[in-house]
Amino acid sequence: KQEVTQIPAALSVPEGENLVLNCSFTDSAIYNLQWFRQDPGKGLTSLLLIQSSQREQTSGRLNASLDKSSGRSTLYIAASQPGDSATYLCAPETQAGTALIFGKGTTLSVSS
Amino acid sequence: SAVISQKPSRDICQRGTSLTIQCQVDSQVTMMFWYRQQPGQSLTLIATANQGSEATYESGFVIDKFPISRPNLTFSTLTVSNMSPEDSSIYLCSVGTGIANYGYTFGSGTRLTVV
Repeated sequence: KQEVTQIPAALSVPEGENLVLNCSFTDSAIYNLQWFRQDPGKGLTSLLLIQSSQREQTSGRLNASLDKSSGRSTLYIAASQPGDSATYLCAPETQAGTALIFGKGTTLSVSS
Repeated sequence: SAVISQKPSRDICQRGTSLTIQCQVDSQVTMMFWYRQQPGQSLTLIATANQGSEATYESGFVIDKFPISRPNLTFSTLTVSNMSPEDSSIYLCSVGTGIANYGYTFGSGTRLTVV
């Protein structure tokens, strides 16, 4: 059964810092991996989708990498802003078409 | 990607009553999933709902408590029955297109408080 761990659980940084969020998963035979953002009490917003054949994906200040063999993904946020404050969730798709599995996420707070 | 309209966005309900949550998708999708997010926790899958078949429930969730309907490829409902304060959570629906590498989309969530 797929299990997802995200480290750190919480992170507080001043505005402008570059930061790294880590995700590990126990079953490395994944199909895709998706990173989401969740604001308090809200739904999930997709940030990046990394296909199983890719090693990284970029969108603006966000860069996500994937190392399937080691069961790890990293989300890099450059020049953090207060608006980046949210919970970040990674979710591997273990088999095509099956439900995503989530860890507890990393709650980020960026102060101005 | 698909766009999901989820209703209601929030509700406060009396214990012992039921609430039905609706998700409308702007395109036809094969797979739809329902999740629960208890306070301070991550998302837990309740069930998978595919059109034309019975929903498949995860361990710890039963149809009598969380009946699901999936009448067509663009719509689904989740009912939380005979509610207790322990059912206070955010409930989310999600869809996947079933097409390789398209990813998943989530509704905006229903924040349920049971008093």
